[in-house]
Amino acid sequence: AQKITQTQPGMFVQEKEAVTLDCTYDTSDQSYGLFWYKQPSSGEMIFLIYQGSYDEQNATEGRYSLNFQKARKSANLVISASQLGDSAMYFCAMSAPNDYKLSFGAGTTVTVRA
Amino acid sequence: DGGITQSPKYLFRKEGQNVTLSCEQNLNHDAMYWYRQDPGQGLRLIYYSQIVNDFQKGDIAEGYSVSREKKESFPLTVTSAQKNPTAFYLCASKDRPNTEAFFGQGTRLTVV
Repeated sequence: AQKITQTQPGMFVQEKEAVTLDCTYDTSDQSYGLFWYKQPSSGEMIFLIYQGSYDEQNATEGRYSLNFQKARKSANLVISASQLGDSAMYFCAMSAPNDYKLSFGAGTTVTVRA
Repeated sequence: DGGITQSPKYLFRKEGQNVTLSCEQNLNHDAMYWYRQDPGQGLRLIYYSQIVNDFQKGDIAEGYSVSREKKESFPLTVTSAQKNPTAFYLCASKDRPNTEAFFGQGTRLTVV
């Protein structure tokens, strides 16, 4: 069974600074995918970044990067140069290759201060 | 425009009534999902479907039912057996297992 853990319920970050959101996971599969989503107060879910378990390089997408440590089963999201518009809830998610099941963590609320 | 459409955006029902939430996608995705989100909480998987006429229970399927008669449609029925149905419901779809899921705008259900 898959389990995603996000231990930080809420975080404050100063504008223009970087912030790291923690995500650990538990799976017996060797092949899996890890995702991060952003949910603003409007409720929509915005896909940010994807990391495959066999990808050797950490994924990056603009100001988002994923710090993937397979042995530790962690997939932390780093947001660089925070902007006020980054204030939202952030979710880590995981899927297995032979199963379409997609499971989410509890989320971390990020508040960016001016 | 390709996407996922959930309707209605807001839904009010009396306690004890069944209610059906609509989810339609024109992305030609095989898999579709239903999630429940309570205020300030994460997404919990209710049901998912990998192909037409097949679906699997998620983590909180009790009190809910689904059907997948067409690839484009995955309606969710919240039955009177669901003890606390007031929540935000999100529908999603994806093409392949290790690709991102696309989400609808959500339906906010309030049972009074």
